[in-house]
Amino acid sequence: AQSVTQLGSHVSVSEGALVLLRCNYSSSVPPYLFWYVQYPNQGLQLLLKYTSAATLVKGINGFEAEFKKSETSFHLTKPSAHMSDAAEYFCAVSDQTGNTPLVFGKGTRLSVIA
Amino acid sequence: GAGVSQSPSNKVTEKGKDVELRCDPISGHTALYWYRQSLGQGLEFLIYFQGNSAPDKSGLPSDRFSAERTGGSVSTLTIQRTQQEDSAVYLCASSLSVLGTNYGYTFGSGTRLTVV
Repeated sequence: AQSVTQLGSHVSVSEGALVLLRCNYSSSVPPYLFWYVQYPNQGLQLLLKYTSAATLVKGINGFEAEFKKSETSFHLTKPSAHMSDAAEYFCAVSDQTGNTPLVFGKGTRLSVIA
Repeated sequence: GAGVSQSPSNKVTEKGKDVELRCDPISGHTALYWYRQSLGQGLEFLIYFQGNSAPDKSGLPSDRFSAERTGGSVSTLTIQRTQQEDSAVYLCASSLSVLGTNYGYTFGSGTRLTVV
């Protein structure tokens, strides 16, 4: 069974600073990995996904994530935080068959301080 | 439709009453998923449909929960004899197929259920 662990339920950064949101996965088979963002009172929106192609994945709004098999990690980064990045971020995993629904982490709330 | 539509957006109900939550997926999406989001608990998988069939009901928390999908389109999640612990945001998502992990899920805005 797959699972993901997001380190830090709340991360606070200054505007213009580096954003780093951590995600570690557990999977007995090669996984697909995803980051979703949720703005207040909205559903989840796909930021980016890793599906066994390039290990460095670029997504929307300047975010990117790197798949590191040796570290079982898929951390989300952005070089310079904007106020509009304040939201809840979820890491998710599935197996490569796609036969199992996505398993989500508990989320990390990102606050951006002016 | 253009997106996944859920109704109602908010529902307040008395303990012991039954509630029905509706999800209208994107036209043409054959796979449909229900998740429950509780504060600090992330997203809990409940059930998914491929067409009108539900291959995996393992996430339903109790026999008070049931779901159906008709015509390969609209789905209804029913909670009978609601309890306070059922209070949460119920999210619906759809994808082109059960291999939706390749295509990505499109989520609705959710139904916020409050049991008083």
